[in-house]
Amino acid sequence: ETGVTQSPTHLIKTRGQQVTLRCSSQSGHNTVSWYQQALGQGPQFIFQYYREEENGRGNFPPRFSGLQFPNYSSELNVNALELDDSALYLCASSLGQATPTDQYFGPGTRLLVL
Amino acid sequence: GQQVMQIPQYQHVQEGEDFTTYCNSSTTLSNIQWYKQRPGGHPVFLIQLVKSGEVKKQKRLTFQFGEAKKNSSLHITATQTTDVGTYFCAKTTGNEKLTFGTGTRLTIIP
Repeated sequence: ETGVTQSPTHLIKTRGQQVTLRCSSQSGHNTVSWYQQALGQGPQFIFQYYREEENGRGNFPPRFSGLQFPNYSSELNVNALELDDSALYLCASSLGQATPTDQYFGPGTRLLVL
Repeated sequence: GQQVMQIPQYQHVQEGEDFTTYCNSSTTLSNIQWYKQRPGGHPVFLIQLVKSGEVKKQKRLTFQFGEAKKNSSLHITATQTTDVGTYFCAKTTGNEKLTFGTGTRLTIIP
């Protein structure tokens, strides 16, 4: 196990609703990245937080937003849910060093939008 | 964004046979990482390659980074049922953002 936890594990919402997903990073890791993985696809980068600041964003609309807290845990918020938002949402924590390091993924939250 | 392509998309092999997945980029990569995702699971980091022509081995797994740093491969010798899953290569950019390849789903026939 990586030590990265996510909650909830599964979630069902309807179109137009809002959702908040949570991630606790591995101890000592100050960087959290969020990814969306649609069925049968590779994970797509949503955004990254480093020391409570957004540090890079992928090609996702503003209704995807996030936070990182002083303990480096993080939240992903999605407003005005659409059917295509149904996916596995993964967070990954890392050390945030200048040279790339391996990232530790959590088990993910499976979101179904009806 | 610039994609990282993987082939094949699917591979079915008899248990005991070898398996190889290839990762190709149109641009030079600073490094390449490989991940394994079991069915219903999450990506698990396997290895990172940084140097041109680098070869690394982990038991039955051999990872290669091309001389031009535009391609990489993962080879599994004598596959076992525990090797089932999807193998992704991923490139990193500046802030450790991962851009994943399209993945190769490996199925083992017992």
